[in-house]
Amino acid sequence: KAGVTQTPRYLIKTRGQQVTLSCSPISGHRSVSWYQQTPGQGLQFLFEYFSETQRNKGNFPGRFSGRQFSNSRSEMNVSTLELGDSALYLCASSLLWDRDNEQFFGPGTRLTVL
Amino acid sequence: SQKIEQNSEALNIQEGKTATLTCNYTNYSPAYLQWYRQDPGRGPVFLLLIRENEKEKRKERLKVTFDTTLKQSLFHITASQPADSATYLCALRSYDGNNRLAFGKGNQVVVIP
Repeated sequence: KAGVTQTPRYLIKTRGQQVTLSCSPISGHRSVSWYQQTPGQGLQFLFEYFSETQRNKGNFPGRFSGRQFSNSRSEMNVSTLELGDSALYLCASSLLWDRDNEQFFGPGTRLTVL
Repeated sequence: SQKIEQNSEALNIQEGKTATLTCNYTNYSPAYLQWYRQDPGRGPVFLLLIRENEKEKRKERLKVTFDTTLKQSLFHITASQPADSATYLCALRSYDGNNRLAFGKGNQVVVIP
């Protein structure tokens, strides 16, 4: 079974630009979560989707948005990039939402904002 | 405010010894707690889950305890090996209206041959 895939793996953008990151969950998994990881803050929850609906949202500004498609694939978008958005963005999938399922993480997208 | 605290200092341990990591939480009522391993440049990998009504869980050389009175989980790696060197993260989900999966910042373990 293929794991969680994220594209692109690396991205360099400049301030003010916008970016879209993509996540393909493990086949059969219907829940996708997104996290931002930085050395100072650790793993911070962005949002969680299940059946194309956002079920939970973290404490991030409205510049961060996401969506999930009918095939469970998910995208997240960051508009008007700031230097502080430089981070590793991780996507995780699980079978169901709001249950004690383990989360399967992708390799992440390393975003650098110049 | 809600907090999940792990030791920020790396744990350096001799090969063969038991490594013990601590996860303390504040203002959560966790339904369960998970432990993950993360290697540099990679996503976390799930290791163990322990529910609120369980005291201890084991998997091979790993053991997790969960004390809801102390609001603490301990993670043990017995007979540690250099390949166990990584960062270990605890995560918990509570069902008190804010039921996102929240992670600690992780604790690095370095096993010295």
